[in-house]
Amino acid sequence: QKEVEQDPGPLSVPEGAIVSLNCTYSNSAFQYFMWYRQYSRKGPELLMYTYSSGNKEDGRFTAQVDKSSKYISLFIRDSQPSDSATYLCAMSGTSGSRLTFGEGTQLTVNP
Amino acid sequence: DAGVTQSPTHLIKTRGQQVTLRCSPKSGHDTVSWYQQALGQGPQFIFQYYEEEERQRGNFPDRFSGHQFPNYSSELNVNALLLGDSALYLCASSLDINYGYTFGSGTRLTVV
Repeated sequence: QKEVEQDPGPLSVPEGAIVSLNCTYSNSAFQYFMWYRQYSRKGPELLMYTYSSGNKEDGRFTAQVDKSSKYISLFIRDSQPSDSATYLCAMSGTSGSRLTFGEGTQLTVNP
Repeated sequence: DAGVTQSPTHLIKTRGQQVTLRCSPKSGHDTVSWYQQALGQGPQFIFQYYEEEERQRGNFPDRFSGHQFPNYSSELNVNALLLGDSALYLCASSLDINYGYTFGSGTRLTVV
């Protein structure tokens, strides 16, 4: 069993839709949770970073962490065609240590 | 302010050959990590360098080795290349106590 599970999609939504992306994990030592966005032929770009459980909002993006359920989510409001990319969840046990990634979810937002 | 710079951007090698990939971290960052990303997969951690020492290592064979220089730049070396080593190799840098990893655009390695 993989430490981090992520639905690979693909996910296709109309412009303006609310998008929900999710990951589950098995390692209870994970404390730091991140979402990265990766455009084709580019490296991952950090979108959201959360420590422990709770919610964090940044513009149209909201990250949620539920450590009791070992479940994290990323919500994108008012999705735009420019949001079309692969979204990767990543997590780690301690600050500065290795990241364990999900497989990524490919999102397409249609105009 | 330049981000993480990787070179070369693309590389084609033959099975059995050796390859060296290079990474210059973001200005002010002192920690460099390397990841391998196969097509359609998430990145897999190879190793991390801090103060010119390998601090952590993932589940990769000894054919994968690295180095960090006093200016914090880093190299990834892969010996005896296999077809399965074909992937996007990503370098990520951070300031040790700050968890903000910045990734480069990667080197796409094709082994034929």
